[in-house]
Amino acid sequence: DVKVTQSSRYLVKRTGEKVFLECVQDMDHENMFWYRQDPGLGLRLIYFSYDVKMKEKGDIPEGYSVSREKKERFSLILESASTNQTSMYLCASSPPRTSGGGQQYFGPGTRLTVL
Amino acid sequence: GQQLNQSPQSMFIQEGEDVSMNCTSSSIFNTWLWYKQDPGEGPVLLIALYKAGELTSNGRLTAQFGITRKDSFLNISASIPSDVGIYFCAGHDGGGAQKLVFGQGTRLTINP
Repeated sequence: DVKVTQSSRYLVKRTGEKVFLECVQDMDHENMFWYRQDPGLGLRLIYFSYDVKMKEKGDIPEGYSVSREKKERFSLILESASTNQTSMYLCASSPPRTSGGGQQYFGPGTRLTVL
Repeated sequence: GQQLNQSPQSMFIQEGEDVSMNCTSSSIFNTWLWYKQDPGEGPVLLIALYKAGELTSNGRLTAQFGITRKDSFLNISASIPSDVGIYFCAGHDGGGAQKLVFGQGTRLTINP
């Protein structure tokens, strides 16, 4: 089974702090994704990566950056956390297109609260 | 970004009832996926559909890939309390980026 893990289930930070959210997958997937989930807004794509050191902006990249130094690990960085970044953050991974039509496997999520 | 139109947004049903929900899109997809999210957890893949007209079952769950490739349906038969959660549809256009477009979810509540 694919396993996607996220470093924290719950996180509380203060406005202005730098925040790191870590995601690790164990299935050698090329593609990794970061979403945020807010009530009534569904899942919104922040950034994704299709290879080591490669990244692409999603629909809401402002205020976030990412890092992918190793294939299995994809980090989301909030350079200076703000209260409007309080949300549930979900990481996902997927195999290359030739192995399946876009199936993404999600981690358990990190609920971040910025005070 | 694009979102799928998923309906209904919420459902309140009695245990044992059947459930139907659907997703529609203005554009064509090559793959339709259905996920379930339990409270406080990440979405879990339930069913993947790859061909127009395809009908696939997973236990009490049945999903169909619409003929027009612009819609998909999920049915749950004889609902039980553990079916409670949020169900998401997602579509993939076959592009290399592997990005998905998601519906806004259907929140299912079951009265025992």
